[in-house]
Order: sequence, then C-alpha cells, then structure tokens
Amino acid sequence: AQKITQTQPGMFVQEKEAVTLDCTYDTSDQSYGLFWYKQPSSGEMIFLIYQGSYDEQNATEGRYSLNFQKARKSANLVISASQLGDSAMYFCAMRGLYGGSQGNLIFGKGTKLSVKP
Amino acid sequence: GAVVSQHPSWVICKSGTSVKIECRSLDFQATTMFWYRQFPKQSLMLMATSNEGSKATYEQGVEKDKFLINHASLTLSTLTVTSAHPEDSSFYICSAREWTNEQFFGPGTRLTVL
Repeated sequence: AQKITQTQPGMFVQEKEAVTLDCTYDTSDQSYGLFWYKQPSSGEMIFLIYQGSYDEQNATEGRYSLNFQKARKSANLVISASQLGDSAMYFCAMRGLYGGSQGNLIFGKGTKLSVKP
Repeated sequence: GAVVSQHPSWVICKSGTSVKIECRSLDFQATTMFWYRQFPKQSLMLMATSNEGSKATYEQGVEKDKFLINHASLTLSTLTVTSAHPEDSSFYICSAREWTNEQFFGPGTRLTVL
C-alpha cells in the first residue's frame, strides 16, 4: 500500500524567506512519481512540481524545488523567496507509474502555509 | 496546459434530492477520470476511477449506488449524488488523465445539502 505523510499541519514564514514543507512516503512500487500541489482558498488544485523515482536530479520549477532523498523516502518542497500569494494548503502526492496503482494519486493530509508580511 | 471544467461550481439542494456534477476535459481526451471528495480542512480522498465506456471502480467504503458515475465519452464524466443528505455536503473534485499520464484537476464543486 502507498502512504504519504505530511507532519506539519501548519507553517508560518516571513515574506521573502525560504520555507521547507516536509513529505515522506511509503510504497512497494519500484517506479513512482511524486507531486506537490497548491490549493488556495478557492479550492482549485494547482500543480507545482513533479519528481520521478528514477530522476537523478532534484526537480526545480521557478521558486519551487523538490528535495528528493530516495533512501529516506522523503520529497520535501522548498519554496524560495516566499510571497504573500503563496499562502495556501500544500499537498504532497504520489502515484505508481506501473501496475495496479497506476494513475491513482494518493494525497497527504496537507500543510497550511501562511506567509507573513 | 490542459483544462478540466466542472459544472456547477457550487450547488445547494434539499435533503433527498439528487445532484449531478459534470466534469469535462476541454482540450484533450481523457482516458481515465477520477472523482475525489474533500471535507473541510482535510485531504482529497479518491472516491472512484472511471474509464470511458466501462463501469467505474469505487474505492472501499464508497457506496456505488449513492454516487453514480457515468463516463460516457472521452471528454465527459458525471457524478450523481442520489438522495443527498447533509453528510454528503463536501467539495467534489474531478481529475482527468490523458494518454501521456499527465493528470489535470477541475476547479471543484461545492455541494451543500440542507
């Protein structure tokens, strides 16, 4: 079975500072993908970044980077230079790339990030 | 990027009525569509997975007779909440996956049952 754990229910960060949102996962799949989504108060799920289990380099997308440590089964999201608009819920998710779990995104419980001016 | 729409964006209904929510992939063909439910301050929980032209696969604990899913075409899936009750009030989000395995989310539908 797959499982995503986000241990930080809420986080505060000062505007313009960097923040790390934690995510650990558990899976028996050899090939899998890790995702981070942002959900503002409007409810829409905004895709931020993706890391494949066989990708050797950490994924980066603008101010977002994913600190992937496969041996530790962690996939932390780093947001650099936080902005007020970054205040939202952030979900870590995983999906097996092959086999029976293919296509089913499993989500963590989320972390509510609040950016202070 | 690919766009997934949901209609309606919000709905209020009386207890005992049925509500239909539509999910459309606007600029791509969705091989698979997913329906999620999200209660306030909680995570997304997968309700069911549907492939075009076949019956949906429901997650454990989801009543298939209460949450009817129809995936009639490669661009449209519908979720019907039958005989809705206040405990069905939730945020329902659909997601569509294209042949590249990329998955895109709709904006969600907020259902309130009085």
